[in-house]
Amino acid sequence: AQSVSQHNHHVILSEAASLELGCNYSYGGTVNLFWYVQYPGQHLQLLLKYFSGDPLVKGIKGFEAEFIKSKFSFNLRKPSVQWSDTAEYFCAGAGPGGSQGNLIFGKGTKLSVKP
Amino acid sequence: DAGITQSPRHKVTETGTPVTLRCHQTENHRYMYWYRQDPGHGLRLIHYSYGVKDTDKGEVSDGYSVSRSKTEDFLLTLESATSSQTSVYFCAISVRDRGDSPLHFGNGTRLTVT
Repeated sequence: AQSVSQHNHHVILSEAASLELGCNYSYGGTVNLFWYVQYPGQHLQLLLKYFSGDPLVKGIKGFEAEFIKSKFSFNLRKPSVQWSDTAEYFCAGAGPGGSQGNLIFGKGTKLSVKP
Repeated sequence: DAGITQSPRHKVTETGTPVTLRCHQTENHRYMYWYRQDPGHGLRLIHYSYGVKDTDKGEVSDGYSVSRSKTEDFLLTLESATSSQTSVYFCAISVRDRGDSPLHFGNGTRLTVT
C-alpha cells in the first residue's frame, strides 16, 4: 500500500540551528509531494510542492526540500530556524493519477524552537 | 485565502446523537475533502467529492456519510456519534480542480463526543 512516513515525532531545536525533517514515500512512478505546516491552533498551509523538474524545491519562509528518487525521500530543510517556526509539519504525497482524494499524509513532526 | 468556511468551529455532543458539520466554499471548486486529525495519526481522509452528488470514500469512512447537493457546500454527517469520533475535522478544497494540485484547508471543527 502507498504510504508516507515521517521519521521524527518531535524535534526540539534552538534558534539559528539548522533543520532537516525526514519524509519517505513508498510508491514509485510519478509522484507529487508536498510539505504542509500547521501553526498552533491553525489550519494546514502549503509550504512547498514537487511535481517534476528540479529536485530541489524552494518554498515559503526559507524552507526547501530535496526530492531524491533513489532514496524515496523528500526531506524538508531550513538553514536557520526561528522561534516562529514552532509548528507541526506534515509531508504528503499523491501517487499515480494525482490526488483526487488520494493525498496521503505522514503522521507529522512537531517542531519546537527554543528562543 | 481560498474562501473556505467550516461550521460550527466547536461542538460538544453526546454519544448516539447525530451531528452534521458544514463546509462552505465561495470559489466554485470541484474537489472537496473531509479529513480528521488525531494526535499520532496525522490527517486521514474520510470522504471526498468530485462534483455535485459525486462522492467517494476515503481511508476512514466508517460511521460517516457526506452529501454535496450544490457545489459550494459539502456536509459531513455522523449518524450516531461515538467517542472515537472525537477529533478535529478539516475540510479542504483542491484549488486548481486537478487531482494533483495542492489542498487549501478550512480552519477546522473541533468535535467532542462525551
